[in-house]
Amino acid sequence: ETGVTQSPTHLIKTRGQQVTLRCSSQSGHNTVSWYQQALGQGPQFIFQYYREEENGRGNFPPRFSGLQFPNYSSELNVNALELDDSALYLCASSLWGLNTDAFFGQGTRLTVV
Amino acid sequence: AQKITQTQPGMFVQEKEAVTLDCTYDTSDPSYGLFWYKQPSSGEMIFLIYQGSYDQQNATEGRYSLNFQKARKSANLVISASQLGDSAMYFCAMSSSGNTPLVFGKGTRLSVIA
Repeated sequence: ETGVTQSPTHLIKTRGQQVTLRCSSQSGHNTVSWYQQALGQGPQFIFQYYREEENGRGNFPPRFSGLQFPNYSSELNVNALELDDSALYLCASSLWGLNTDAFFGQGTRLTVV
Repeated sequence: AQKITQTQPGMFVQEKEAVTLDCTYDTSDPSYGLFWYKQPSSGEMIFLIYQGSYDQQNATEGRYSLNFQKARKSANLVISASQLGDSAMYFCAMSSSGNTPLVFGKGTRLSVIA
């Protein structure tokens, strides 16, 4: 098991609501990346945080936002939820510049009804 | 833009046999890294093996080896002596540097049969 913990593990929300997902990074890691994995697909990059600032963003609308805290943990916020937001959300922590050292959490499975 | 293609949606292998999972990639970057991850039903992505584009030798990690053919832009994963616990989704991924995000393929579901 890695030291990356995501909460909650499962979540059901109604269309139009807002959701916050949380990720604690591996000890010693300073970078957190978030990915969305729709059913039957590979993960898609949402954004990355380093030193509490967003550093790179994939093709996701502004209603997907995030935060990184001084202890390197991170949050993913999604506003105005849509049915297509239903997916497994994965966070990965790493040291800046070392993708080979990335560890993933077990994910948060979000269902929007 | 980078792209990963995994053409095998599902594969079956007999326990104790070897299996090859295919991965082709496309990139214009001269320096890049190729990754393989295992995703059990629990959802966590488990890192298996890494190959750098300038590595001269194919990467190996225990029962996992990566058959890297740069000219063909392929990075196939070979699992030797398959075990029932190897049943999972397997994803090939790449990044152009240590800071850039991983680009994943659609994955291959491997089922190991007793």
